[in-house]
Formats: sequence, structure tokens, C-alpha cells
Amino acid sequence: QKEVEQNSGPLSVPEGAIASLNCTYSDRGSQSFFWYRQYSGKSPELIMSIYSNGDKEDGRFTAQLNKASQYVSLLIRDSQPSDSATYLCAVNWGSGGSNYKLTFGKGTLLTVNP
Amino acid sequence: KAGVTQTPRYLIKTRGQQVTLSCSPISGHRSVSWYQQTPGQGLQFLFEYFSETQRNKGNFPGRFSGRQFSNSRSEMNVSTLELGDSALYLCASKTGYSYEQYFGPGTRLTVT
Repeated sequence: QKEVEQNSGPLSVPEGAIASLNCTYSDRGSQSFFWYRQYSGKSPELIMSIYSNGDKEDGRFTAQLNKASQYVSLLIRDSQPSDSATYLCAVNWGSGGSNYKLTFGKGTLLTVNP
Repeated sequence: KAGVTQTPRYLIKTRGQQVTLSCSPISGHRSVSWYQQTPGQGLQFLFEYFSETQRNKGNFPGRFSGRQFSNSRSEMNVSTLELGDSALYLCASKTGYSYEQYFGPGTRLTVT
């Protein structure tokens, strides 16, 4: 059973702080990793993808991948109240774009307090 | 570019009935995946269609089926509805061989 684990939270940070969200996965062969943001009552929105070890930055978001430790994280700098949402980690077990089997963690609820 | 669209947005059905949900992908996207989201199980992969063929499948019973048309639009059918089928059903699309997929707004199904 391939699994993706996230701390369910809630994670509460003050406005302007760095929020750190973590995810571990069970299959060493996984190739692609994603972070989705889901506001209450809405559908998931893709915010970051990462495919190789190291850091990937996009605006206030940084994704970090460590395949040896089977760990992927998302850092949100200068957190804003509008960042308050559930963050879903997703892992593709398939070997390519045609063998695509995305498994999601259950999400971490982030609350940013003004 | 328009996003993924799903119809209907809300649906109430009775146990034992069947239901069909529809999804139109982003223009140019030929891969459509379906997911079920519940508070207890989270987001679970149902199946993926590409070029009118089911390419990948999750671990759901045969009551859940789907199809894709030549214009890449997809439908998902659930037969003999059970109370546990109450969920948000999400459709996501991507190009055939890319990794990044984008979700539609979902269909909220309630089975009574």
C-alpha cells in the first residue's frame, strides 16, 4: 500500500511568519511531487511541483525534496491570512506522464492569524 | 484559457439509483482523471482516461465507471448508489504526457 503522510494540523502561524508543511511518502521509486491548496468548499489548486532533489522557489513558496529521506516540504514565507487553507501533498507513483497514479495525503490545515 | 468545468455542481440522489457526472477538460488536454473526496478518506483516485481509453484505475468497485468522448469530455457513472458514495467528485485534466493536472470545481453528490 503506497502511502502519503501529512500532519493533519491545524498549524497556526502569525501573519508574516514562515509556515512549514511536511509530507512523507512510502515508495522510493516515486518521481514527481505536488502541493495543492484547497480552500474550504473549493477544489484543489496546484501551487507547486517538484521533480528533483533540492529546493524549488516560486514567489513566497519553496518546495523542498529529499528522495533519500522520502520527504517533501512546502515553506510559505511572509504568510498572509489568505494563505489559510488545507495544503495537500500528492505523489505520483507512476513512471511517467502516461502511467499516472496520483496519491494524496489527507492534508494539513493551515491558519494564519492577523 | 477556460478551466475544467463539471456539471452538475450539486446532486441529491436516493440509495439504489444511478448517477452520471460530466467533465469538460481544459482545451488541448486529452487526459481526464476522476477523484472522490470524503472527510474520512481524503482524495482518492478513481480512474484516468486518455484518448477515449481508460489508462489507469484506482481501487474502487465496478459500480464506478467512466468513459471519454472524442472531444476529450468525460463522464463518470455510479450505479446502485450507497450512502457511502456521498462525496465531492472531482475531475482533473492534463496534457497526455505531462505531470501537472488541474482540477475542476467538483460535483457534490449527496445520497439519501
